[in-house]
Amino acid sequence: AQSVAQPEDQVNVAEGNPLTVKCTYSVSGNPYLFWYVQYPNRGLQFLLKYITGDNLVKGSYGFEAEFNKSQTSFHLKKPSALVSDSALYFCAVRDGRLNDMRFGAGTRLTVKP
Amino acid sequence: EAGVTQFPSHSVIEKGQTVTLRCDPISGHDNLYWYRRVMGKEIKFLLHFVKESKQDESGMPNNRFLAERTGGTYSTLKVQPAELEDSGVYFCASSHGRVNTGELFFGEGSRLTVL
Repeated sequence: AQSVAQPEDQVNVAEGNPLTVKCTYSVSGNPYLFWYVQYPNRGLQFLLKYITGDNLVKGSYGFEAEFNKSQTSFHLKKPSALVSDSALYFCAVRDGRLNDMRFGAGTRLTVKP
Repeated sequence: EAGVTQFPSHSVIEKGQTVTLRCDPISGHDNLYWYRRVMGKEIKFLLHFVKESKQDESGMPNNRFLAERTGGTYSTLKVQPAELEDSGVYFCASSHGRVNTGELFFGEGSRLTVL
């Protein structure tokens, strides 16, 4: 069965600094990996995904993520954080053979001015 | 195009009562999912419909939970009788067709508080 781990409950960064939100996964087959963001009182919004191809994928709002097969990781990154990036971030994985998606516990990102 | 809509946005009930949550997926999306997030924990899969059929209900916690999707359009999730541990945010999501490389589209969630 597929699963996701987000080892950090909270990440704090200063505005303008780079940010990283960590994610590791476990699947039986080929992983399809996703990042979602949740702003207060809103549903989850899709940020980016890795299906195949280049290990570095770019998504919305300047975010990117790097797929690392040997480390089974898919960390979310942004070169320069904005205060408006403060939100709850969820990593998710699908086993390529299956249609459902499994999520991590979420990481709360706080960007301070 | 309307997104995934959920109703109610917040429900407060007493232990032992019944609550029904509704989800309207994006029009044309065959796949409909229910997830739940208990405070501070992961978003847990409950079940997956393909049209009106339950494809996977392995995440349903117990028989107090009943999900339906008559006609393959909107879905309801009923909790009867509700217990304290059922409190959380229930998310509905939908996706198109059999392609499993696509993202899910989420509603804003229904927050359930059981007192």
